[in-house]
Amino acid sequence: DAGVTQSPTHLIKTRGQQVTLRCSPKSGHDTVSWYQQALGQGPQFIFQYYEEEERQRGNFPDRFSGHQFPNYSSELNVNALLLGDSALYLCASLRKGVTYGETQYFGPGTRLLVL
Amino acid sequence: SQQGEEDPQALSIQEGENATMNCSYKTSINNLQWYRQNSGRGLVHLILIRSNEREKHSGRLRVTLDTSKKSSSLLITASRAADTASYFCAVNSGGYQKVTFGTGTKLQVIP
Repeated sequence: DAGVTQSPTHLIKTRGQQVTLRCSPKSGHDTVSWYQQALGQGPQFIFQYYEEEERQRGNFPDRFSGHQFPNYSSELNVNALLLGDSALYLCASLRKGVTYGETQYFGPGTRLLVL
Repeated sequence: SQQGEEDPQALSIQEGENATMNCSYKTSINNLQWYRQNSGRGLVHLILIRSNEREKHSGRLRVTLDTSKKSSSLLITASRAADTASYFCAVNSGGYQKVTFGTGTKLQVIP
């Protein structure tokens, strides 16, 4: 049973470019959340997708957008990259029908460096 | 903004000793979770404690929750070199499983 997978593992971009990160949730999971983790900090919630719609969003600008596909996989898109977008981007998934008090499972992350 | 604040920020102990990390938060919560992260990679879920629970155990881990003080602690007993990692608390205080992470405690266990 595969866990949460993310691609690519590392990425280097230049300022102003656009980037797409991908996440496949754990089998049986239908909800995907994205987090940004700057060096030395805790992860910050970007947004969450459920039933192909953005259900909740953190304090991130519109340059950050996402998508969820019918197979529950998800993409995170960042436009007009800034140096400050350099971070580890983490994806987490939850199983179907969850309410409160459930565990989310994290992928290994994509490390993005913006030059 | 980050709700959880862990302390200490860094902790260095000898193998076999116990390690205690604390987390304080600001709002009422549904549950509080502890995670481990090795070398800036993915987070591993350790334990979840609900707001109506006071203590929970999992192997060498013991978590306590004091909702009146808005604080939690994670105790790792008989530490091993493999426990060297960053530990984060995360609170779920809203809907849809959104969690807010703290700043983390960096634990070093010296063999």
